[in-house]
Amino acid sequence: GAGVSQSPSNKVTEKGKDVELRCDPISGHTALYWYRQSLGQGLEFLIYFQGNSAPDKSGLPSDRFSAERTGGSVSTLTIQRTQQEDSAVYLCASSSIGGLAGGEETQYFGPGTRLLVL
Amino acid sequence: DQQVKQNSPSLSVQEGRISILNCDYTNSMFDYFLWYKKYPAEGPTFLISISSIKDKNEDGRFTVFLNKSAKHLSLHIVPSQPGDSAVYFCAARGGNEKLTFGTGTRLTIIP
Repeated sequence: GAGVSQSPSNKVTEKGKDVELRCDPISGHTALYWYRQSLGQGLEFLIYFQGNSAPDKSGLPSDRFSAERTGGSVSTLTIQRTQQEDSAVYLCASSSIGGLAGGEETQYFGPGTRLLVL
Repeated sequence: DQQVKQNSPSLSVQEGRISILNCDYTNSMFDYFLWYKKYPAEGPTFLISISSIKDKNEDGRFTVFLNKSAKHLSLHIVPSQPGDSAVYFCAARGGNEKLTFGTGTRLTIIP
């Protein structure tokens, strides 16, 4: 498809385990964002990739969270030693204009990965 | 520090009437604003946007108004339809910064 895809769609894990969440952005989009939405909360920014620039990691809640974007395309969000408070929907978005270019920008979101930490 | 605020977590409107969703921001550097709509179990989808050089942008049943002096924007949906029931997020950015989202307003259209 032409949209942003994420996998897995659902993930149940035990406390203390590591998880990896994957995002395939729209082809050609240089900007990629990770957000999370906890139950009853808004969209919480996690990390932002723009081209070859150093990522903006200012939203990562702890050092257990990390993300990488290989070849300027696919991104993986890794949560180490998961905790119950990590349970949320993790959303990925991409856009064709972002950060350095400024101006108008529309982000296209994936369907999200629902993470449940038991 | 919540730079984009949606003070109404929920709103119920009769079908056919006007829905007005509000958003306030604190950062005077924001110059571009967007509204996203989110259905359950789906990612948010872009709805409408406005640049700070305008005070109104209209697209079909959806109109966004921007009041820069009050740092306030609103989304008007008229007439409201049952399919409009969703969570609406306001977002803003300034220059080359990332988008900042509000906490969302859940709109329910009553048939």
